[in-house]
Amino acid sequence: LAKTTQPISMDSYEGQEVNITCSHNNIATNDYITWYQQFPSQGPRFIIQGYKTKVTNEVASLFIPADRKSSTLSLPRVSLSDTAVYYCLVGDNQGGKLIFGQGTELSVKP
Amino acid sequence: DVKVTQSSRYLVKRTGEKVFLECVQDMDHENMFWYRQDPGLGLRLIYFSYDVKMKEKGDIPEGYSVSREKKERFSLILESASTNQTSMYLCASNRDFGYGYTFGSGTRLTVV
Repeated sequence: LAKTTQPISMDSYEGQEVNITCSHNNIATNDYITWYQQFPSQGPRFIIQGYKTKVTNEVASLFIPADRKSSTLSLPRVSLSDTAVYYCLVGDNQGGKLIFGQGTELSVKP
Repeated sequence: DVKVTQSSRYLVKRTGEKVFLECVQDMDHENMFWYRQDPGLGLRLIYFSYDVKMKEKGDIPEGYSVSREKKERFSLILESASTNQTSMYLCASNRDFGYGYTFGSGTRLTVV
């Protein structure tokens, strides 16, 4: 199973764009890249998922280079409510065993 | 929206008790999962199920068992609770592998 590496913490200010990069050097051909957001005392919430190139939804964008060894979650114009832990996961659609890493604790300041 | 409901937000149990954690999802998802989350260790997969009456061990199944008698319900059982099972337990489901998970709000279990 591919292991992911992401920064432990990041700081930002309201209104800024935040980019969180995740490294997954051992990603396999069938693996998808998925990002989750977790607030204290709540379960993680699905944000976005992609396989290659760029994916955008109403919340975020996900950029995946051609070699797929890393990915970047982009949050446009963050607000205080975006303060949370963000997890990058890599997994295939066979075994179902998605592995959560330590996540990135994003702190958005006024 | 998919809802994954965990029966209790907080539970306090005594060492040696048999504990049942219940999880129900309302969108006919095939797969259901149980994780525990601990500070510094992140989320760790305990068990998962991809069909009724089917179960697979995750990374830390010791001390736990599961039951899936109906598609919508996945129960985690602590046969004899111990203090090292004090944790936040999270249930999740998805419609198929490769799709995003929907998590419940979690059950914070304290074993005293």
